[in-house]
Amino acid sequence: GQNIDQPTEMTATEGAIVQINCTYQTSGFNGLFWYQQHAGEAPTFLSYNVLDGLEEKGRFSSFLSRSKGYSYLLLKELQMKDSASYLCAVRDGDYGQNFVFGPGTRLSVLP
Amino acid sequence: DAGVTQSPTHLIKTRGQQVTLRCSPKSGHDTVSWYQQALGQGPQFIFQYYEEEERQRGNFPDRFSGHQFPNYSSELNVNALLLGDSALYLCASSREQGLTEAFFGQGTRLTVV
Repeated sequence: GQNIDQPTEMTATEGAIVQINCTYQTSGFNGLFWYQQHAGEAPTFLSYNVLDGLEEKGRFSSFLSRSKGYSYLLLKELQMKDSASYLCAVRDGDYGQNFVFGPGTRLSVLP
Repeated sequence: DAGVTQSPTHLIKTRGQQVTLRCSPKSGHDTVSWYQQALGQGPQFIFQYYEEEERQRGNFPDRFSGHQFPNYSSELNVNALLLGDSALYLCASSREQGLTEAFFGQGTRLTVV
């Protein structure tokens, strides 16, 4: 089966660091992606990992361990505009972009 | 570059009716996927189109069908609407070649009453 788990909600303070965890069990694996989605808007791409390790992209970093079926998204120097849902998605299959999405983590950044 | 565009943005339909949603992919993209996102949940994969054919399909009934045109744009059709079909319908496009991220449109908010 396909299963992706992430916390439903998280709260953090402006300027702090937050880590959003994601665990997955999928029949196929061709990359793990993180998307940000503000309420009522389209998901926007943040980062992806294909190989184990850390990928850094400005204030955002994402880590992957394929053997553990685990990833995390690290957000540094939090800003109020980072309040959004963060979607963990596994690209399932050898072609195309059919993603299996987790339920999303709603992050609230407080002043 | 207009990105991925979807129409309409909002739609209200009555139970039992049929609906057609439209998507134009980002320039240079040839693959289109459709997702259904219920409130407070992650998107769920409906199906994917490439070269005008349905290539993969998620766990959705045959009431959900689609089409891709030669210009790579796509339609999602839903027949015999149910109240449970109320959701945000997202279209995502990407290039077939290479491991690229998918770009999402703003979505169509469908309400079935």
